[in-house]
Amino acid sequence: EVQLVESGGGLVQPGGSLRLSCAAFGFSFSDYYMDWVRQAPGKGLEWVGRIRNKGESYTTEYAASMKGRFTISRDDSKNSLYLQMDSLKIEDTAVYYCARDNYGVDVWGQGTTVTVSS
Amino acid sequence: QSVLTQPPSASGTPGQRVTISCSGSSSNIETNYVYWYQQLPGTAPKLLIYRSNRRPSGVPDRFSGSKSGTSASLAISGLRSEDEADYYCASWDDSLSGRVFGGGTKLTVL
Repeated sequence: EVQLVESGGGLVQPGGSLRLSCAAFGFSFSDYYMDWVRQAPGKGLEWVGRIRNKGESYTTEYAASMKGRFTISRDDSKNSLYLQMDSLKIEDTAVYYCARDNYGVDVWGQGTTVTVSS
Repeated sequence: QSVLTQPPSASGTPGQRVTISCSGSSSNIETNYVYWYQQLPGTAPKLLIYRSNRRPSGVPDRFSGSKSGTSASLAISGLRSEDEADYYCASWDDSLSGRVFGGGTKLTVL
């Protein structure tokens, strides 16, 4: 079964950092681009960014509002995706979803909640 | 303000056909695939339509997608109470070099 499982969410103070992880199961992880998408409480879906596969040199793209603060990485040997979030702001409070990118997102994880608050 | 524009709400009675629109531009919908997702309360989004008009296995054929120019639509026929959910469209935007989503449409089954 194709599955994505996020972890690492929690409560962090403004200005702090957090690293989210996503474990992939049931498909050839290394072949795919992978995305992060977030959803603030009561709001819609917002794309965070994506990382391409080895064939595309693991290049990354980010939404403008997150560029420079968020870093996406992957470890194909561990079938894992990561999101390093620095200089966190209150408005970064959201559920963060790991997602498989197949010309569009076709598989979603269950999400992990990040709360930025003092 | 979302790059893709959806109506905030839609409604219908059981058995009816409902259509949800998604309006974009030449840099996204017109030149890239459209994806549709269903999100039930408290759950992760689920893929309903991919590559504008294709249905993943397991998605009922009551759901269909179409695209014309800078707009796309999701149609749900034979509306059922379990279809009550939020629906999102998404596409890639070449100008922004990023994925864009609609603001979501809350579907109510009366």
